[in-house]
Amino acid sequence: DAGVIQSPRHEVTEMGQEVTLRCKPISGHDYLFWYRQTMMRGLELLIYFNNNVPIDDSGMPEDRFSAKMPNASFSTLKIQPSEPRDSAVYFCASSSPDGAGGTDTQYFGPGTRLTVL
Amino acid sequence: AQSVTQLDSHVSVSEGTPVLLRCNYSSSYSPSLFWYVQHPNKGLQLLLKYTSAATLVKGINGFEAEFKKSETSFHLTKPSAHMSDAAEYFCVVSSGSARQLTFGSGTQLTVLP
Repeated sequence: DAGVIQSPRHEVTEMGQEVTLRCKPISGHDYLFWYRQTMMRGLELLIYFNNNVPIDDSGMPEDRFSAKMPNASFSTLKIQPSEPRDSAVYFCASSSPDGAGGTDTQYFGPGTRLTVL
Repeated sequence: AQSVTQLDSHVSVSEGTPVLLRCNYSSSYSPSLFWYVQHPNKGLQLLLKYTSAATLVKGINGFEAEFKKSETSFHLTKPSAHMSDAAEYFCVVSSGSARQLTFGSGTQLTVLP
């Protein structure tokens, strides 16, 4: 299994530009999560989907952020317009009930390091 | 409500000596607890998971953790550190059927030669 795939791995852009981050979850997983990691705030959940439907977007910081999941194998996180304070590492994770009980295990992608100048 | 506290932001050990990374949690329900590891410029990798089946959980790379309900702790240990263990370690809690994970602030492990 290829694991969770994210692209690009690194993105450098200028303030005001639109940024689109992409994620391919593990095949068969029905939950997809977007996280942001910064030095100041650590790891924060932004939004998650179940069967392509957004379930909880309370972590999305502002209307400049939007996420979509048009099908089971692809999701995007878009920032428009981007600002320097959006600089962070953005992780995508996916999960599916594993039969072990309790909360499902989430498997993380390698992340996208975003720098907004 | 749930929260997790990692008691040490940095831990330094010599290669071949034991590792102890401390974690305390708070949860209103029966928690699921995880330890993840993050190597520099990499994603998070699952080390182990506790789901109430057994209080001593064995993970990958020789790591294990013990769930102690009376102490609300889930400390991560390894008998003998290896240079490749140098990384940041996150203790994570989730409650009941909730999908939301709450991450600790992380512990940076340094392994000295």
